[in-house]
Amino acid sequence: QKEVEQDPGPLSVPEGAIVSLNCTYSNSAFQYFMWYRQYSRKGPELLMYTYSSGNKEDGRFTAQVDKSSKYISLFIRDSQPSDSATYLCAMSGAGNQFYFGTGTSLTVIP
Amino acid sequence: NAGVMQNPRHLVRRRGQEARLRCSPMKGHSHVYWYRQLPEEGLKFMVYLQKENIIDESGMPKERFSAEFPKEGPSILRIQQVVRGDSAAYFCASSPPGPQNQPQHFGDGTRLSIL
Repeated sequence: QKEVEQDPGPLSVPEGAIVSLNCTYSNSAFQYFMWYRQYSRKGPELLMYTYSSGNKEDGRFTAQVDKSSKYISLFIRDSQPSDSATYLCAMSGAGNQFYFGTGTSLTVIP
Repeated sequence: NAGVMQNPRHLVRRRGQEARLRCSPMKGHSHVYWYRQLPEEGLKFMVYLQKENIIDESGMPKERFSAEFPKEGPSILRIQQVVRGDSAAYFCASSPPGPQNQPQHFGDGTRLSIL
């Protein structure tokens, strides 16, 4: 079983829609959770960083962590064509290794 | 540009040659990480370094691959006697000194192609 599971998509939504991206994980020791956005031919760009369970909001982005279910989500409100990218979840525990999902490809159609 | 700088952006090598990938971390960052990304496989951790020290190389292949982060200059990922299977995008990330698990900031990668 992979440490982190992420549906690769692709996901296609109309402009203005609410997007929900999700990851599940198996290691209950994970405490730090991140979402990255990666445009084609570019490096991952940090979007959200959370510790333990709960919600965190930043503009149109909301990150949720449910440690009891080992499930994390990223919501994008009022999605824009510029949000079209691959979204990667990442997480770590007490050690220094980060574990990444394979990424979900998102296209927002104008 | 205060971001993580990687060069070259693209590198082409023939089988058996050596590949050297360079990474300059963000200003003020002292932790460097190398990852390999293959299509549909996500980012795979290779090695974690601090200045002059390899902290964790559990993701590095045992042969042909090495990494360093000298006191002066960029971090180097070196691949000797490259094979076709080494073709991938290699990303470097950095994080500031202090507690572990701080978010990592990535460069735009080096795309290595083996002929």
